[in-house]
Amino acid sequence: DAKTTQPNSMESNEEEPVHLPCNHSTISGTDYIHWYRQLPSQGPEYVIHGLTSNVNNRMASLAIAEDRKSSTLILHRATLRDAAVYYCILQGAQKLVFGQGTRLTINP
Amino acid sequence: DTGVSQDPRHKITKRGQNVTFRCDPISEHNRLYWYRQTLGQGPEFLTYFQNEAQLEKSRLLSDRFSAERPKGSFSTLEIQRTEQGDSAMYLCASSPRSSGRAGEQFFGPGTRLTVL
Repeated sequence: DAKTTQPNSMESNEEEPVHLPCNHSTISGTDYIHWYRQLPSQGPEYVIHGLTSNVNNRMASLAIAEDRKSSTLILHRATLRDAAVYYCILQGAQKLVFGQGTRLTINP
Repeated sequence: DTGVSQDPRHKITKRGQNVTFRCDPISEHNRLYWYRQTLGQGPEFLTYFQNEAQLEKSRLLSDRFSAERPKGSFSTLEIQRTEQGDSAMYLCASSPRSSGRAGEQFFGPGTRLTVL
């Protein structure tokens, strides 16, 4: 299973943008890049995914490097409810292979 | 609420006892997944069903674990002769047929198992 590397933790302030990085240098050509987040005491929640092009949805934006060896999840205006563990996942098959994720803290 | 539901939400048992968890996926989702999450770690894949067929099992799924999905609707995960190392959050997720590899998985709230 292809591996991702994320910082263990990040901190940001409310109403500011947040950029969460992910390195995936061993990504294969058919792997999708997925981001999920897990709020305290809840199951993981889908955030966004992409293959090659940058993607936007109501929750976030995903910026994918041209060589696909890294990506960045962008929360445009963080709120306290965005405090969670964010997982960057390469999906080459049906199952999701989670790493340790990045614990995001939002300061009021 | 039409999300994935799991029952029970919490289970405390004594070592050596058998436990069974239930997962009800989102209606018409033909794919169903089980994951296990220990404290401070990300979820780990256990097994995956497409309709009633169990298509993949992780090596984490020892002989004491069995999962079923009769009729391709709800699923059960049974752990026999529980051990303290089985203490974890057991998560269920589902996804529709149309999603392929690119689609999202919808997770339930999980069942927290504590083995004393």
